[in-house]
Amino acid sequence: KAGVTQTPRYLIKTRGQQVTLSCSPISGHRSVSWYQQTPGQGLQFLFEYFSETQRNKGNFPGRFSGRQFSNSRSEMNVSTLELGDSALYLCASSLEVAAPAQYFGPGTRLLVL
Amino acid sequence: AQSVTQPDIHITVSEGASLELRCNYSYGATPYLFWYVQSPGQGLQLLLKYFSGDTLVQGIKGFEAEFKRSQSSFNLRKPSVHWSDAAEYFCAGATSGTYKYIFGTGTRLKVLA
Repeated sequence: KAGVTQTPRYLIKTRGQQVTLSCSPISGHRSVSWYQQTPGQGLQFLFEYFSETQRNKGNFPGRFSGRQFSNSRSEMNVSTLELGDSALYLCASSLEVAAPAQYFGPGTRLLVL
Repeated sequence: AQSVTQPDIHITVSEGASLELRCNYSYGATPYLFWYVQSPGQGLQLLLKYFSGDTLVQGIKGFEAEFKRSQSSFNLRKPSVHWSDAAEYFCAGATSGTYKYIFGTGTRLKVLA
């Protein structure tokens, strides 16, 4: 079974631009979560989607948004990019069972200049 | 507030030596607990998970972890470390019904030949 895939793997943007990252979960997984990883802040939860609905949201500004499609694929969008948004963005998918275990993709490395 | 703490930022061991990475959690109730490993430039790979029951959990790559409620700990162990184990290790916690993981700050493992 294929793992979680994320596209693109690398991205360079300039301040003020916006960016969209994509995540395809493991087949059969309906929950998708997003995390931001930076050297200073570590791994921080952005949001979680299940059946096209956002179930949880972390403490990030409104510039960070996401959505999930009917096939469980998810996108996250960051508008008005800031230098501090440079990070590795990780997507994780889970099978909706009582005991959650998330499986992570390789991440998208975003550099904001 | 809920938290996961990894007290050791860096650990260096010799190849063949035993390993123990520490993880402490602070949750109102016993959380689900996980250990992940991340190689440079990669996503996170699930090593093992604890939900309930047997407090000694076996994982992949020869790793195991022991849940100790009295110490609020979930330490990762390996009896004999291989050079390929050099990576960063993350402990994470989650409460029932959510995929909002809280990660520790990670422990970077260096293995000496």
